[in-house]
Amino acid sequence: AQTVTQSQPEMSVQEAETVTLSCTYDTSESDYYLFWYKQPPSRQMILVIRQEAYKQQNATENRFSVNFQKAAKSFSLKISDSQLGDAAMYFCASYYGGATNKLIFGTGTLLAVQP
Amino acid sequence: DTGVSQDPRHKITKRGQNVTFRCDPISEHNRLYWYRQTLGQGPEFLTYFQNEAQLEKSRLLSDRFSAERPKGSFSTLEIQRTEQGDSAMYLCASSPTSGRPYEQYFGPGTRLTVT
Repeated sequence: AQTVTQSQPEMSVQEAETVTLSCTYDTSESDYYLFWYKQPPSRQMILVIRQEAYKQQNATENRFSVNFQKAAKSFSLKISDSQLGDAAMYFCASYYGGATNKLIFGTGTLLAVQP
Repeated sequence: DTGVSQDPRHKITKRGQNVTFRCDPISEHNRLYWYRQTLGQGPEFLTYFQNEAQLEKSRLLSDRFSAERPKGSFSTLEIQRTEQGDSAMYLCASSPTSGRPYEQYFGPGTRLTVT
């Protein structure tokens, strides 16, 4: 079965500091995509960053970057220069396409940003 | 483009009643997804449409659940004879068929409370 695991239920970071959220996944597929989604309190889920499995280069979007370790099936999110608006639940997710088009989500990491 | 919209945002119902939720996807998106999110968990896939065709259903979608997308635009999710275990956030997402079909854009969700 394809699974996504987030082992950090909660994390905290000081404003302007850097934090890394962890994610591991399990699959036998060779073609897939990995995502980090952000879900602020009582607000809708938004896509933060995407990584194609066939790309060796780690994705970067402004202050957000990933560390994609394909052999280890690890996909961590680094948030640099943390801001108060980064406080949210963060979900790691995978997508395999083909016969199934669903996203498989982890259980999430609740990030608090301390002023 | 106003994004994915869902109606209602909140629904409180008594056990045994039927409820129906509506989702309006991004206008040019052919794919539409329903997910369920319970407290402290990531979203779980329920079902997926491409245009008006329902192509995939999760085992989570019991006989009491039915989803439709009659004209390939908006979709409805109906739950019959609601149970307390149905209390959750129901999320709708859409994505394009070509280009980046793996990028799913989420609506704000409908929070269902069954009393």
